[in-house]
Amino acid sequence: QVQLQESGPGLVKPSQTLSLTCTVSGGSISSTSYYWSWIRQSAGKGLEWIGHVHSSGSTNYNPSLKSRLTISVDTSKNQFSLKLTSVTAADTAVYYCVGDFRITRTFDYWGQGTLVTVSS
Amino acid sequence: DIQMTQSPSSLSASVGDRVTITCRASQGIRNDLGWYQQKPGKAPKCLIYGASSLQNGVPSRFSGSGSGTEFTLTISSLQPEDFATYYCLQHNIYPRTFGRGTKVEIK
Repeated sequence: QVQLQESGPGLVKPSQTLSLTCTVSGGSISSTSYYWSWIRQSAGKGLEWIGHVHSSGSTNYNPSLKSRLTISVDTSKNQFSLKLTSVTAADTAVYYCVGDFRITRTFDYWGQGTLVTVSS
Repeated sequence: DIQMTQSPSSLSASVGDRVTITCRASQGIRNDLGWYQQKPGKAPKCLIYGASSLQNGVPSRFSGSGSGTEFTLTISSLQPEDFATYYCLQHNIYPRTFGRGTKVEIK
């Protein structure tokens, strides 16, 4: 069974960069059947799709975040990562890494989520 | 972006009740809609995709219907484990967008 686990700081200062990594176990991130996605959830905005990366390195980002966002994949480590620059309090949320099955376009596999708070 | 509007935002129901939740898209999305269930402190779980296809392992009391701009999720006989928040998600175009959720509470 594929499992995903987020890791990274739980507290980030305003204007700094939020960096998270997702480790995939029980399956290969090189599978061409999946996009590897980030989704966040906050009380203010609800569930928000951030973007995804394919094992080929191709990406698709939410336009609302695109100018601050980088999602990358490291197939040698079976990991993918999120970097969001110039964060504000509005970026405070639970961040999930998610496996997105391309055929049915379903978010099949989810990490447990990690709370990131932006505060000085 | 496509806006997804769910109704109601919350409802109270009893075990055994039939429950219907509606989701409207701000533009036509064919049948490119999924339904997700989220319990407190947990990640969402996919129940339905393609508007009406049941995800593997999901009980048959869950069903979905609709096409274009109007969609429904029906729980035919509510069970204790079904008390949760339900979200619709459009996967027609990027960015993918979710509804704001419907919280199903115990009456």
